[in-house]
Order: sequence, then C-alpha cells, then structure tokens
Amino acid sequence: DAGITQSPRHKVTETGTPVTLRCHQTENHRYMYWYRQDPGHGLRLIHYSYGVKDTDKGEVSDGYSVSRSKTEDFLLTLESATSSQTSVYFCAISESTGQGGTAAWETQYFGPGTRLLVL
Amino acid sequence: QKEVEQDPGPLSVPEGAIVSLNCTYSNSAFQYFMWYRQYSRKGPELLMYTYSSGNKEDGRFTAQVDKSSKYISLFIRDSQPSDSATYLCAMKKSNFNKFYFGSGTKLNVKP
Repeated sequence: DAGITQSPRHKVTETGTPVTLRCHQTENHRYMYWYRQDPGHGLRLIHYSYGVKDTDKGEVSDGYSVSRSKTEDFLLTLESATSSQTSVYFCAISESTGQGGTAAWETQYFGPGTRLLVL
Repeated sequence: QKEVEQDPGPLSVPEGAIVSLNCTYSNSAFQYFMWYRQYSRKGPELLMYTYSSGNKEDGRFTAQVDKSSKYISLFIRDSQPSDSATYLCAMKKSNFNKFYFGSGTKLNVKP
C-alpha cells in the first residue's frame, strides 16, 4: 500500500451543503491530486497540488476548492454540493520527476476512494 | 477529442486465454506509460509502468509501447478469473506531473 487514506469513505449529503473530503499520505510525496470517477468518463482531474499551499486546477474544477496546509494532507471542498457532484472521489500522490528515468516514483498511487451521494 | 482513447469493453475471455488491452494517444510528448488495475469498488492499483518505447515484462503481464504509432498495449498471459477488473492506461510527459487516463476497459475472465 502507498500509505494513502481518505476520509470519509462514504458520505450522503443534501444539495446546497458544503462537504469536505480529506486525503492523508504518509509518503512525504510532493504531488497530491483529486480525481472524480464516473461511468463513461474515467478519471477526471479536479485539482492538484505541487507543494504546501501550491495548488492548480484540473479539467473539472468548477464547484470545488482545495487546500494544502501541510505536506501530508490535501483537502477537497465542495462549496455547495449539487447532484452532479455525486461520484467516487480518489486522491492520488506522486513524487516530482525533475529528470527522465524509470524510477517507480514516476507514477501515481491512489487512495481507496470516497463515495459521495448528493441528494 | 480525448488525449487518450481506450475501448471500454467489456471484454470477456475464457480462463487461460491471452488478453490484449490497448490505448491510443494523440500527444507525442508523452514519455511515461502506465497500466492500472481497478477492482470493483476499489482504488486503481499500479500494475506496470514503462518509460519511452519498448516492452516490459512482469510475470504474466507484458506492457508494450509503440511511440511511432502512439499505441500502447498490455498483454496478460494465462488469464485467471482473479484478473477480472477494469484496466486503465495512463501517461504523462517528462517533467510534468499531470497524468492523462484512458476511460478503462472492463475485463471478465470466465472460469
């Protein structure tokens, strides 16, 4: 296991409420990511972080915000949940590349996922 | 057009068959190529990774990259029912830590 935990693992909430998902890593990796996975769409990047307090948007960032105040934690917030945000959310980590090569850390490792249902 | 295309399947094969899973991509800057296996209701787990072109073998699994054709493959020999899962390809450019995923191919290996 890559030392990634996500909480909560399951959540049911109502439209319009804020929701925060937490990703915690024990690997001290620099990069952390939030994806959502939906049938027919595969994994879509929401936001990612390349260091403490350094974040950037992915392809489906509308309605989501993130924060990273320490290396090990990356929070995803749905500011006002909508039914279209019902999904499975995965956190992932990777280390900086900086150079070419074949090291295993040139890849991503995923957490177990959070199933979110917005009613 | 998506940067990475992958046939969603499902692909159903008998136990012991050789399975071929494929992805095509459009960006010639991709240098790192990965295959993930995802069991139902679980997170993706890294199966194979390769850098640039060529083949890589690990037990029953072989990953192949053809950069000239922008085509990658994963071969599974002597497939087992435990191989039944969704297989996702992923790729990235050098010095960029954003990963691009295919939508996944669902594989069912029948006993």
